[in-house]
Amino acid sequence: TQLLEQSPQFLSIQEGENLTVYCNSSSVFSSLQWYRQEPGEGPVLLVTVVTGGEVKKLKRLTFQFGDARKDSSLHITAAQPGDTGLYLCAGDFGGAQKLVFGQGTRLTINP
Amino acid sequence: SAVISQKPSRDICQRGTSLTIQCQVDSQVTMMFWYRQQPGQSLTLIATANQGSEATYESGFVIDKFPISRPNLTFSTLTVSNMSPEDSSIYLCSVTGESGNTIYFGEGSWLTVV
Repeated sequence: TQLLEQSPQFLSIQEGENLTVYCNSSSVFSSLQWYRQEPGEGPVLLVTVVTGGEVKKLKRLTFQFGDARKDSSLHITAAQPGDTGLYLCAGDFGGAQKLVFGQGTRLTINP
Repeated sequence: SAVISQKPSRDICQRGTSLTIQCQVDSQVTMMFWYRQQPGQSLTLIATANQGSEATYESGFVIDKFPISRPNLTFSTLTVSNMSPEDSSIYLCSVTGESGNTIYFGEGSWLTVV
């Protein structure tokens, strides 16, 4: 069974600070997705990474995919209260688009 | 991106009853999936909804408890049978985007079993 370890599970920081969320596995991903979920809603796709070493930016969010395609990170610069939410990484291990999710990171940005 | 609509969005159900959740997509998609998110937890894949054939279930999930239909490329249903309080969860439909690597989710159906 493939497992995704996501850390930290909880993070509470002040507005303006930077943070990084990590997603690690012992298995190779075909692709990896990052989602953000707010209370009462389904997960909203932020990014999909496919190529080892890939870096994608979405405004203040930077996503990296490890060279070996076993790990990924999400870095947020100058966090804002609107960034508060549950961040989920999810890996497709076999190319069948069946996702294995990490435990999630509950992020709180305090004004 | 695909627009995915789920019904009902929320329901409170009596123990022992069954509820069918519908998932409608605004375009034809090859792959449709059903996930469960228990309170305070992450998502777990229940099954792949196959068009024209029986769904493919993940370990720990069985057809008798979670029958799934997929009559065409834009629609699927998931039934939660003989519900117990442990079935209180968010049930989410997901589809694969055109690229094949991108997977989108519906808003979810929040079920509370009392």
